[in-house]
Amino acid sequence: SQQGEEDPQALSIQEGENATMNCSYKTSINNLQWYRQNSGRGLVHLILIRSNEREKHSGRLRVTLDTSKKSSSLLITASRAADTASYFCATAPAYSSASKIIFGSGTRLSIRP
Amino acid sequence: DAGVTQSPTHLIKTRGQHVTLRCSPISGHKSVSWYQQVLGQGPQFIFQYYEKEERGRGNFPDRFSARQFPNYSSELNVNALLLGDSALYLCASSTGIIGELFFGEGSRLTVL
Repeated sequence: SQQGEEDPQALSIQEGENATMNCSYKTSINNLQWYRQNSGRGLVHLILIRSNEREKHSGRLRVTLDTSKKSSSLLITASRAADTASYFCATAPAYSSASKIIFGSGTRLSIRP
Repeated sequence: DAGVTQSPTHLIKTRGQHVTLRCSPISGHKSVSWYQQVLGQGPQFIFQYYEKEERGRGNFPDRFSARQFPNYSSELNVNALLLGDSALYLCASSTGIIGELFFGEGSRLTVL
């Protein structure tokens, strides 16, 4: 089962525009992570935000976390063709004896030239 | 330093057969996790091993098993293959249990 659900499922924007993807999750978390996957390849870690953090930046990426709403957003500014990929949020559970990082269903981002 | 390596990269099996997938983590990483990714979906958690002990198991049947060796490499075994087992199998290593995951390129399994 998926812990996180991304919204929208697919997003197509013009190069240079900003892209925003959202993630909702169900249970308490220790941290939330965002990953990128180019078609059929392995996932690449983008950013990790801890449950006591509200916002984090890395280059053109900005991630926010609202634990009261159990949601996160990933903003990619000034998009480029190379940003075309699938983006996944992943949550590490809090207060669990089982260790597992659970991924959402992903957002497919397409950047139009 | 080498990243996470997985073998084989592609394989084709028939229903009822058995498959073994292998993963070598990044040097110094003690945790290995396995995920199954069906086309168009997110990765589904199968197992996590840390310091050679199973630390997490996902909702997969007993046909799926794994182990971690003293050098921290890992194997995923799937018995009695079904058509629905066709997927990309991803291995990820990490230094700890809930931190950043470093993924290999995956093993693409096709079951005919």
